[in-house]
Order: sequence, then structure tokens, then C-alpha cells
Amino acid sequence: DQQVKQNSPSLSVQEGRISILNCDYTNSMFDYFLWYKKYPAEGPTFLISISSIKDKNEDGRFTVFLNKSAKHLSLHIVPSQPGDSAVYFCVGRGSTLGRLYFGRGTQLTVWP
Amino acid sequence: KAGVTQTPRYLIKTRGQQVTLSCSPISGHRSVSWYQQTPGQGLQFLFEYFSETQRNKGNFPGRFSGRQFSNSRSEMNVSTLELGDSALYLCASRDGYEQYFGPGTRLTVT
Repeated sequence: DQQVKQNSPSLSVQEGRISILNCDYTNSMFDYFLWYKKYPAEGPTFLISISSIKDKNEDGRFTVFLNKSAKHLSLHIVPSQPGDSAVYFCVGRGSTLGRLYFGRGTQLTVWP
Repeated sequence: KAGVTQTPRYLIKTRGQQVTLSCSPISGHRSVSWYQQTPGQGLQFLFEYFSETQRNKGNFPGRFSGRQFSNSRSEMNVSTLELGDSALYLCASRDGYEQYFGPGTRLTVT
């Protein structure tokens, strides 16, 4: 039962443009949502998070939006850079801090 | 501080064998979680250990087990390996909310 869904396995964007990665979830008990980035041969690294009581969180070029009524969140990267090319995981977390629920990931490719 | 380390990085085993993977958390972190990543199922939670006690367990058969030592290092064991156990096994340590992942152990079962 996939509680976090990323329906786009891949996204290709030109350098300088906006990248928008989308994510849907089914578990209303998640109190935090996170985005992790993963390069080949490395473990996932934390990128940005948002509390379930917020609707937006911004950190430099990265902004996450949360729409609780639609159970949808998105990650915006502006401007996109070639170094952003990686797999991005949308992650939900409930009251059990040590357990994360991952989406299947979206491979972002930023081309010059 | 050094990051999370996992050994070995790559492993090839035969069906029916057993395997033990090791994870050393970031110094001072007492929680270690394990995840399995496969193309078909994505990243799935196996279990979490905190202060040598298993706190949570995912939906995996009993062939998957783990333990944690007093220095917070953790091992996971898979017995009677099946072809479907071929995966990237990731461990993560935390001290608070954020989880820090190691590079993973790539297990191939033939």
C-alpha cells in the first residue's frame, strides 16, 4: 500500500527554468513531509521539509507547497541547474520519527 | 563528524544462503533505521532500532532481522535468501527529527 505517490517517474527541464515535482499522499496522519534527493551510488540526502500545519516553506531555490485538502504537495526548483539532476523522493512522516514513507521517486534531468 | 557508513558496499550471494549487513551511525546517534530499495516497490521501511531495542517493524517476513549494539552500530540479517531479496539496503541514523542515510549495500542474489 503506497501511502505516498509520485506519478511522474521522470522530468526533464532546461537549465534556468522552473522544475515542479508533484506528490500525492493518502495518510492523513502524516505530520511532516520531506523531500530527499538521491544521486547514484549515494544515500538519499534531506532537501527541505514542511509541517502539515503550513502550506509553504521556502529555502533558497527550493519551495515546497502543501495542499492538505487535496492531499497534494509539490516541490518547485527555481532556477533549475544541471547539478539538480537527481532522483527526488517525496516522503511522509507520522508520529513514529524513525519510520519514513517514501514515494517511488522522480528522476529530474536538467539540461543546459 | 563522519557520516553513516555501511559495509560491505556490494555483495553477491546465492539463493538459500544468509547475509549480514552492517551499519555504523553518525557518532552520538542512537536510532538506526533500515530500508530496502527495489525497482518494483521503491524504498520500504524494514525496522528501527533505538538503544539496542527494536522500536518499529515494517511489513517484511521473519527472514529479515536485525540488532543493535551498545555502541549504536547495527546489523541486519537476511536468512534463506530469495531472488527477490536483491536490492539496495539503506540504513539511516538520527538524533532528533532528521534521518541521515548511508550509501547503501547493493545485494545481488543469484
